[in-house]
Amino acid sequence: GENVEQHPSTLSVQEGDSAVIKCTYSDSASNYFPWYKQELGKRPQLIIDIRSNVGEKKDQRIAVTLNKTAKHFSLHITETQPEDSAVYFCAAYPYSNDYKLSFGAGTTVTVRA
Amino acid sequence: EAQVTQNPRYLITVTGKKLTVTCSQNMNHEYMSWYRQDPGLGLRQIYYSMNVEVTDKGDVPEGYKVSRKEKRNFPLILESPSPNQTSLYFCASSLREGGTEAFFGQGTRLTVV
Repeated sequence: GENVEQHPSTLSVQEGDSAVIKCTYSDSASNYFPWYKQELGKRPQLIIDIRSNVGEKKDQRIAVTLNKTAKHFSLHITETQPEDSAVYFCAAYPYSNDYKLSFGAGTTVTVRA
Repeated sequence: EAQVTQNPRYLITVTGKKLTVTCSQNMNHEYMSWYRQDPGLGLRQIYYSMNVEVTDKGDVPEGYKVSRKEKRNFPLILESPSPNQTSLYFCASSLREGGTEAFFGQGTRLTVV
């Protein structure tokens, strides 16, 4: 099955700086890579996703890049704000017959004012 | 309002006492799944269902059962709960399997003593 590793586990940034979270996956057939944000005490919510036929996707201050050859993808948050403080999860969906979405262990991001 | 609803939100029970956590979605989604969230381990899939009467094991199915008799409902059953099942549980639904956004319920905080 798919194995997703996420780094770092915690990240502290100064407000206004950028934050980068990196994930690697094991199954070269994986074709869908979403990112979820979970605020304290809340449910995870999708913030951005990318498919294997695209190398980069942006949505305002967040962007995701995908390197299929190296089997890694990254989340970039620019001009961080206090409301960006949360746990972020990457995930990978393998295009195979097990239909399981595999999540990374999560990154706790703290934006310092 | 489109949503995934779990009940109860909080539950404290004793070892061996059967319990059911309900999950219902009103978006006519085909794919539903259960996850448990533990510190440092991220979201791990317990069971998933691709449609009515179609269920399969996720990564950590031991000690759990599920059923999918109706499209909207996907209950999680713990026949004989044990303390190692103390966790935060999330139900999620997606339009279909693979490559679509997962909508999560509010979560159920379960403590087994």
